[in-house]
Amino acid sequence: EAGVAQSPRYKIIEKRQSVAFWCNPISGHATLYWYQQILGQGPKLLIQFQNNGVVDDSQLPKDRFSAERLKGVDSTLKIQPAKLEDSAVYLCASSLDRVGWETQYFGPGTRLLVL
Amino acid sequence: GDSVTQMEGPVTLSEEAFLTINCTYTATGYPSLFWYVQYPGEGLQLLLKATKADDKGSNKGFEATYRKETTSFHLEKGSVQVSDSAVYFCALSLIQGAQKLVFGQGTRLTINP
Repeated sequence: EAGVAQSPRYKIIEKRQSVAFWCNPISGHATLYWYQQILGQGPKLLIQFQNNGVVDDSQLPKDRFSAERLKGVDSTLKIQPAKLEDSAVYLCASSLDRVGWETQYFGPGTRLLVL
Repeated sequence: GDSVTQMEGPVTLSEEAFLTINCTYTATGYPSLFWYVQYPGEGLQLLLKATKADDKGSNKGFEATYRKETTSFHLEKGSVQVSDSAVYFCALSLIQGAQKLVFGQGTRLTINP
């Protein structure tokens, strides 16, 4: 079974530029998550989708971050404009459903450096 | 709010030593508890989980018991190997409603031969 795919793996941009990350979840997984992991910290949930609808985006900085999951499969996370503090690893995860005990499967992440 | 506190790292042990990584949590409801592991150069992967009080999760020689009375989920292994070197994350998720994993800060473990 193929895992969660993410691209690109690495990205270096200058502040105020825009960047987009792509995620393709495990086939059949209804729930998709984007996390931000700053160096030395645990991942923090940014946004959660159930199929193509947003379930939770309470920690997403909506003035600069946006995400979509058209057709309920793959997803894109965008930052515009980027700030220095956005330097982090962006993780995508998916699960069969969104009940509390469900296992989330993580992709390899996209490492973003904002200069 | 819901939170997870992990033992400060980094932790360095010799091969075959006994490992404990402490994890305590604060939650308003009845959470499921997880340990995720991040090996060098790889993504996060589930190590073990427990969904109710007194449950024991186990995998690859690692164990953790869900202790509701002490709000803890400590990770243990009787004899560590060099290949166990990784960053370990404790996390909780509430059973009710939308699943939202709340992670601890992670504990970096290095095992020396």
